Amino acid sequence: GNSVTQMEGPVTLSEEAFLTINCTYTATGYPSLFWYVQYPGEGLQLLLKATKADDKGSNKGFEATYRKETTSFHLEKGSVQVSDSAVYFCALSYTGTASKLTFGTGTRLQVTL
Amino acid sequence: DTGVSQDPRHKITKRGQNVTFRCDPISEHNRLYWYRQTLGQGPEFLTYFQNEAQLEKSRLLSDRFSAERPKGSFSTLEIQRTEQGDSAMYLCASSWPNRDRGTTNEKLFFGSGTQLSVL
Repeated sequence: GNSVTQMEGPVTLSEEAFLTINCTYTATGYPSLFWYVQYPGEGLQLLLKATKADDKGSNKGFEATYRKETTSFHLEKGSVQVSDSAVYFCALSYTGTASKLTFGTGTRLQVTL
Repeated sequence: DTGVSQDPRHKITKRGQNVTFRCDPISEHNRLYWYRQTLGQGPEFLTYFQNEAQLEKSRLLSDRFSAERPKGSFSTLEIQRTEQGDSAMYLCASSWPNRDRGTTNEKLFFGSGTQLSVL
């Protein structure tokens, strides 16, 4: 079956540090890949997505590139802020009848001053 | 606030009791999803509706679980004879998929969830 593996957290960084959160997936065919973010006390929000190989999704300074050869979709940001502290989830689904997302376990990011 | 709302935010119940959660999606969203998230795990798909029709149920949804969306607007998720293993965050999401140049685009909007604790 499909699965998503994320690096375990928590990840603790100082403000303005470079962020990478690793995500790899196992799936057949060509899924769409997503990063969702959950801020404290809030619902999951779509951060970015990529629907085919070599696509780069980007939003709010975050980027991730769909790498089919390594089945990866690592999340990066050049300079994190305290306000980026949240839990980040990598996920996949197939376009078609419905968005039944398969999520990773989430990675907590803590950014300090 | 016009986002997805869920009620209650927290529910504590004793084992064996029935519980019901409500989800109000963003108005005009025709799809509604239920997910479950246990501690330290990512959300897992449970079921989804297109308007009032329940189109798919995960094998995670045992016979004790039932979901409805009677008028294609709000939805309820009922758990009968709760067990301690049912303790989790129950998430609702809604969407309005659209087709653009032969591709279906769908963005899910999630509620904040209902945290269930079964004692």
